[in-house]
Amino acid sequence: RKEVEQDPGPFNVPEGATVAFNCTYSNSASQSFFWYRQDCRKEPKLLMSVYSSGNEDGRFTAQLNRASQYISLLIRDSKLSDSATYLCVVNAKQFYMRFGAGTRLTVKP
Amino acid sequence: SQTIHQWPATLVQPVGSPLSLECTVEGTSNPNLYWYRQAAGRGLQLLFYSVGIGQISSEVPQNLSASRPQDRQFILSSKKLLLSDSGFYLCAWSGGGDGYTFGSGTRLTVV
Repeated sequence: RKEVEQDPGPFNVPEGATVAFNCTYSNSASQSFFWYRQDCRKEPKLLMSVYSSGNEDGRFTAQLNRASQYISLLIRDSKLSDSATYLCVVNAKQFYMRFGAGTRLTVKP
Repeated sequence: SQTIHQWPATLVQPVGSPLSLECTVEGTSNPNLYWYRQAAGRGLQLLFYSVGIGQISSEVPQNLSASRPQDRQFILSSKKLLLSDSGFYLCAWSGGGDGYTFGSGTRLTVV
């Protein structure tokens, strides 16, 4: 089993749609969780951290379920500019993190 | 503010040639530094990480090596490149808090 697994996608949605991405992790001792965004042929950039109580940043909502070792990202009112690959990231050990393979999102007009 | 520089942006190298990729961080001290590789259509694979000068931990044994000669400098090297070394190489730094910041990456093609 991979340490971090994500929906393979791709997700193709119309503008204005709500889309949710899921991620599971295998290391129950993990303490830090993030969602990154990666545009085509670019470096990943931090989208948001994921906190135990859940957190929201504008149209983006992240949830963590430690019991199920599950993380989610919800994007409301999708924009064309949201098209990218979304990476789930979990700390593996004290000093480094594991990345999921990513879920590609395409938002169409 | 902290910035991370990585170069070159693209590189085409023949099989068997050496490699040296450099990464430097500005605006912080004693960062944790990382080298990741992303093969085409794949996820990020951790290659090396360093928590201090001269301290290198290898995640995946292969024909690559890393060095940290200065606090804010991280170098990825190979003596002889293989075709399978092609990929997108990303340097990142962390202050131990929220996530990583990545450099802009080097796209390496081994021919």
